[in-house]
Amino acid sequence: GAVVSQHPSWVICKSGTSVKIECRSLDFQATTMFWYRQFPKQSLMLMATSNEGSKATYEQGVEKDKFLINHASLTLSTLTVTSAHPEDSSFYICSARDRRVDTQYFGPGTRLTVL
Amino acid sequence: AQSVTQLGSHVSVSEGALVLLRCNYSSSVPPYLFWYVQYPNQGLQLLLKYTSAATLVKGINGFEAEFKKSETSFHLTKPSAHMSDAAEYFCAVRGSGNTPLVFGKGTRLSVIA
Repeated sequence: GAVVSQHPSWVICKSGTSVKIECRSLDFQATTMFWYRQFPKQSLMLMATSNEGSKATYEQGVEKDKFLINHASLTLSTLTVTSAHPEDSSFYICSARDRRVDTQYFGPGTRLTVL
Repeated sequence: AQSVTQLGSHVSVSEGALVLLRCNYSSSVPPYLFWYVQYPNQGLQLLLKYTSAATLVKGINGFEAEFKKSETSFHLTKPSAHMSDAAEYFCAVRGSGNTPLVFGKGTRLSVIA
C-alpha cells in the first residue's frame, strides 16, 4: 500500500519552545492531509484537515494559532506546535488521502514529550 | 454526521479461536467503513474497507468484515487468531468525498497462548 512518512518519530522539548512535525506522502500526491492526536489508550481525535494551497480547517476546540498547519506541496504537510506546554504531550499522527483509491493512509506517528 | 461505536474495549481470545470485534455505525449518508490495526507506538494500518460494493469484504492477514445495513453493523472477524494479531483495532466511518475518517474508541485484542 501507499506509504506516508513522519519526521521526527519522537521529540522531547522544553516548555515554551516550538516543534515542527513533517508528514510526507511518498508515492502519491495528496491534495488532502489530516492531522490527528491520540492520547494513551484512547482513539484518534481529528485536529485539522489540510488542503494543498489553502488554509487548514480546524476542528472545534483546536487552537489554530497554537497548532500551525502548512500544506505547501502535494506531498508535504507540516504541523508546528507553538509554545509547547506539558499538556501538549501526545502522539500525533498524520494521514494522507490517495484520491486514486479513495483511501486514507497513516503515518507512523510522532511522540511529543514536553518537559 | 457519522459515528461508530465499538462494543468492548478489550477482547481476549485463545490462539486458534475465532476473533470477533464489533462495530456499529451511524450515518446520514451511505457510509464508507474501515477497519484499521495499530501496533504499539505505531501508526494505523488499513485492514479492509467497505465502499458499497460487496457486503463481505476480505482484508489482509485473514481478516474479513460484513456490512449489514439492517443492523448498521460492520463486525470484523478472523477464523483463527494468531499471537501476532494482538493489537488495537479501530473501526472508522466517513461519508463520500473529501470528508475525514471518524474513529471508534478502539478495541484491544489480546491473544492467549
